[in-house]
Amino acid sequence: GAVVSQHPSRVICKSGTSVKIECRSLDFQATTMFWYRQFPKKSLMLMATSNEGSKATYEQGVEKDKFLINHASLTLSTLTVTSAHPEDSSFYICSASGSPFSGANVLTFGAGSRLTVL
Amino acid sequence: QKEVEQDPGPLSVPEGAIVSLNCTYSNSAFQYFMWYRQYSRKGPELLMYTYSSGNKEDGRFTAQVDKSSKYISLFIRDSQPSDSATYLCALGSGNTGKLIFGQGTTLQVKP
Repeated sequence: GAVVSQHPSRVICKSGTSVKIECRSLDFQATTMFWYRQFPKKSLMLMATSNEGSKATYEQGVEKDKFLINHASLTLSTLTVTSAHPEDSSFYICSASGSPFSGANVLTFGAGSRLTVL
Repeated sequence: QKEVEQDPGPLSVPEGAIVSLNCTYSNSAFQYFMWYRQYSRKGPELLMYTYSSGNKEDGRFTAQVDKSSKYISLFIRDSQPSDSATYLCALGSGNTGKLIFGQGTTLQVKP
């Protein structure tokens, strides 16, 4: 089955630094990837939709300059949290789908990346 | 009103019990309905997906959709301790792959 790999699974950084999280589709080409944020015991909140070769589409309230998304290839999307602050600490999860998405071509989620900003 | 409402639980049941997890939604445009299971500190894992009203069964799991009432359910028969997790409903429409998630219900199955 489809596999999505996220790296790193855990990262701790100092306030003010930038952190990059990678999302890779291992055995399929993902024209679209999604980035979610999840607070403890809360649901997944969609941050942005990442399309290969084009700019990401951000959800309302998500700072584009804060959360930089790059979908440089059909198998890789990256999320960079810039100038991280403690309130950015969260669980970030990506998902990917082949093209075009249909109900049968369901989304596969990565295992998530836990960011802790000190 | 949130687009998707899900009973937050937590829900604690004895092993072997039948579990019912539910979501309601407000947007009639949703076309596909999914249930994900998420273990602690892991990504969501797809359990069931369906497009139409009615029931879909897969082993011990049954997904039920009632579009007229905007209500979806997941039933787990003969629940096992390994079913202990958070269950999230997710709804979508179109071909973008964009999903709206419920809040998640935490389930604990006690041996």
